[in-house]
Amino acid sequence: EVQLVESGGGLVQPGGSLRLSCAASGFTFSSYAMSWVRQAPGKGLEWVSTISGSGGSTYYADSVKGRFTISRDNSKNTLYLQMNSLRAEDTAVFYCAKYQQLLPYDYWGQGTLVTVSS
Amino acid sequence: DIVMTQTPLSSPVTLGQSASISCRSSQSLVLSDGNTYLSWLQQRPGQPPRLLIYKISNRFSGVPDRFSGSGAGTDFTLKISRVEAEDVGVYYCMQTKQFPITFGGGTKVEIK
Repeated sequence: EVQLVESGGGLVQPGGSLRLSCAASGFTFSSYAMSWVRQAPGKGLEWVSTISGSGGSTYYADSVKGRFTISRDNSKNTLYLQMNSLRAEDTAVFYCAKYQQLLPYDYWGQGTLVTVSS
Repeated sequence: DIVMTQTPLSSPVTLGQSASISCRSSQSLVLSDGNTYLSWLQQRPGQPPRLLIYKISNRFSGVPDRFSGSGAGTDFTLKISRVEAEDVGVYYCMQTKQFPITFGGGTKVEIK
């Protein structure tokens, strides 16, 4: 059974940093790209970032480019999102999801809430 | 960026009746491989999103056949036949033709 479990969310002050993790199981982690997708309170879905299976290719939304870094450790079956220079508008539930271009986001985690506030 | 526009914003429907959601992309979602990179997601209240349909009309594993997708190029439709109470939620179309991946604004399906 495929499982994705996010952790690392919490309350952080504007300008602060957080690192999110997503522990994956039930599939060959290194064979699949992974993404982070976020959802601000009461709003729709926003793609944040995607990383290839090897970790050699990364893609970012303009809204987070230069502030967020996606990475993965295939030996630990874990996906990460390092978030720096956080802003109030980054407040959202962050989901990790398994990605294939033709079969996108077939599995999602339950999400972790990030709140940026003073 | 490819803009995804969904209509309507809200769709009140009677149990057992049908609901239809439209999605329009600002450019064609067909790639040179001949595939169309349009998917539909369902998000029930308090839950993460769930993949329903990929490549316009392919139902993901476990998705009831009450859900069907159609369309081509830039215009797509999700139809829910014989709506059940468990279908309440927000539905999103999504394109994965190119980065940035973009979503429609969502359509809320609720029971009258």
